[in-house]
Amino acid sequence: EAGVAQSPRYKIIEKRQSVAFWCNPISGHATLYWYQQILGQGPKLLIQFQNNGVVDDSQLPKDRFSAERLKGVDSTLKIQPAKLEDSAVYLCASSLARQGDGYTFGSGTRLTVV
Amino acid sequence: GQNIDQPTEMTATEGAIVQINCTYQTSGFNGLFWYQQHAGEAPTFLSYNVLDGLEEKGRFSSFLSRSKGYSYLLLKELQMKDSASYLCAVRSMDSNYQLIWGAGTKLIIKP
Repeated sequence: EAGVAQSPRYKIIEKRQSVAFWCNPISGHATLYWYQQILGQGPKLLIQFQNNGVVDDSQLPKDRFSAERLKGVDSTLKIQPAKLEDSAVYLCASSLARQGDGYTFGSGTRLTVV
Repeated sequence: GQNIDQPTEMTATEGAIVQINCTYQTSGFNGLFWYQQHAGEAPTFLSYNVLDGLEEKGRFSSFLSRSKGYSYLLLKELQMKDSASYLCAVRSMDSNYQLIWGAGTKLIIKP
């Protein structure tokens, strides 16, 4: 089966600019996650979707981050405006259901804010 | 609160055995996962434990003791390609079945 697709692979922007990341999960996976991973740390959950509904966005900095999953399939994560501390890898993961055996991750987007 | 601890870095020799420990304090425990993450790549699934005991999968084994809040990942016959970060994650029923992640253990393999 095809894996989780993410784009772009790398992105460099200046602070205060905006950026968007795209994710297409494994076909049939109802649950989709966006994570932020700073170098040397574990992934930090930003938002969890179940189909096209938000299950948890408690750690999403809503003043600058937004995410949507229209039609319950692919998803976009946006940052506007970006700050230097947003430099990180943004990982998308999907699973069959909330109690799925595990997550499959996409290759991630490495964001550098200068 | 939810907390997962694992060593920051470990070094081992090619061909040897290494054990990476993970301790956790979480509510609503619903399984423990180990992931491998090579530098610049996404995490990939290694193992899953929900009951106490040892799960063996080739060169890798994972152990769980729920009463002690403890797990370890055992890597045998180490190869240079095993140099990576190893992430311990606990699934919690009290957190929408999300995975709560440790910071990862960077494993360095020397010839």
